[in-house]
Amino acid sequence: QKEVEQDPGPLSVPEGAIVSLNCTYSNSAFQYFMWYRQYSRKGPELLMYTYSSGNKEDGRFTAQVDKSSKYISLFIRDSQPSDSATYLCAMIGYTGGFKTIFGAGTRLFVKA
Amino acid sequence: DGGITQSPKYLFRKEGQNVTLSCEQNLNHDAMYWYRQDPGQGLRLIYYSQIVNDFQKGDIAEGYSVSREKKESFPLTVTSAQKNPTAFYLCASTRTRNSPLHFGNGTRLTVT
Repeated sequence: QKEVEQDPGPLSVPEGAIVSLNCTYSNSAFQYFMWYRQYSRKGPELLMYTYSSGNKEDGRFTAQVDKSSKYISLFIRDSQPSDSATYLCAMIGYTGGFKTIFGAGTRLFVKA
Repeated sequence: DGGITQSPKYLFRKEGQNVTLSCEQNLNHDAMYWYRQDPGQGLRLIYYSQIVNDFQKGDIAEGYSVSREKKESFPLTVTSAQKNPTAFYLCASTRTRNSPLHFGNGTRLTVT
């Protein structure tokens, strides 16, 4: 079993839809949670960085962490064609040293 | 603007040749990392370095080598011993090990 599970998609939605992206994890040592956006042939760019359970909002993006269920989500409101990218979840935990583990990424297509 | 510069963007080599990928950062970050990205597999850690003149193997270090002679630079050599070197290589850095990674825009290496 992978430490972080993420549905690879692809996920296709119409412009203006609310998008929900999710990851589950198995290691309770994970303390910090991140979402990255990666456009084709580019490096990942950090969208959201959270520590505690609950919600964090930044513009059209909301990150949600539920440590009791070991589940994190990223919501995108009013999705735009420019949101079409691969979204990677990532987690940092201390297991004999801090380590960042990535999900495999979900490909999102937003149709105009 | 601070950031991470990877060069070249595309690299083509014949099988059996060693090749070195460049990574330079001006973020004044202590820690630097090399990841490999393959379709559907997420990011896998090759090597990382927390300080100058020190580095550690990641999960898939076989067939790769690195050096860290300056804080700003962390070049990766893909040797002829790497069995499947064609991939997208990403360099990253962090201020501390529990901070989110900042990525360069990657080098696409194709070996034929």
